[in-house]
Amino acid sequence: GAVVSQHPSRVICKSGTSVKIECRSLDFQATTMFWYRQFPKQSLMLMATSNEGSKATYEQGVEKDKFLINHASLTLSTLTVTSAHPEDSSFYICSARDYGTRDTQYFGPGTRLTVL
Amino acid sequence: DAKTTQPTSMDCAEGRAANLPCNHSTISGNEYVYWYRQIHSQGPQYIIHGLKNNETNEMASLIITEDRKSSTLIRPHATLRDTAVYYCIARSPGSGYALNFGKGTSLLVTP
Repeated sequence: GAVVSQHPSRVICKSGTSVKIECRSLDFQATTMFWYRQFPKQSLMLMATSNEGSKATYEQGVEKDKFLINHASLTLSTLTVTSAHPEDSSFYICSARDYGTRDTQYFGPGTRLTVL
Repeated sequence: DAKTTQPTSMDCAEGRAANLPCNHSTISGNEYVYWYRQIHSQGPQYIIHGLKNNETNEMASLIITEDRKSSTLIRPHATLRDTAVYYCIARSPGSGYALNFGKGTSLLVTP
């Protein structure tokens, strides 16, 4: 199957700093990528839809000025958590749509963010 | 997307087949059934998907009833590494929307 990578896999930062997470589709082009967040013992919650070359679409309740998304190329989307606070600590997962395999979504391995 | 219903948890002995059911009684004609699993602290892994015919790949088999109102994911010869949460999702390809994850089935494979 198609491969999606995320970097970093784990990050610990101080409150008030910004953190950037990269999501790459390694062997296919993805015009659409998605960002999810997962809290302990809960299911994945969609945060935003990222379309290459256009502004991201955010789900209700997700602050677009806090979670900046950039999808500058067909293989790369970035999520920047600005002025992170402890409540932003979570598992962030990206996915990418592969139109070549009947529009299947493939997921990255996730990024564990801990804000102290 | 049609609502799907799965048991909260299941157990399976190592080496036996794991049969995971999913109910999707309101599925529409153009919606596929997708299966993913999430091993602890990892991103979801795509397993298989199908429309109406049974499907098989290197990971699992997907059996869809003739009326398409339910399906079963079969993981033959389960191993301890198959312990994970399994998600069944109904979705139309090309809809442009993200997959919506419910609570899934927590499968525990025991020695």
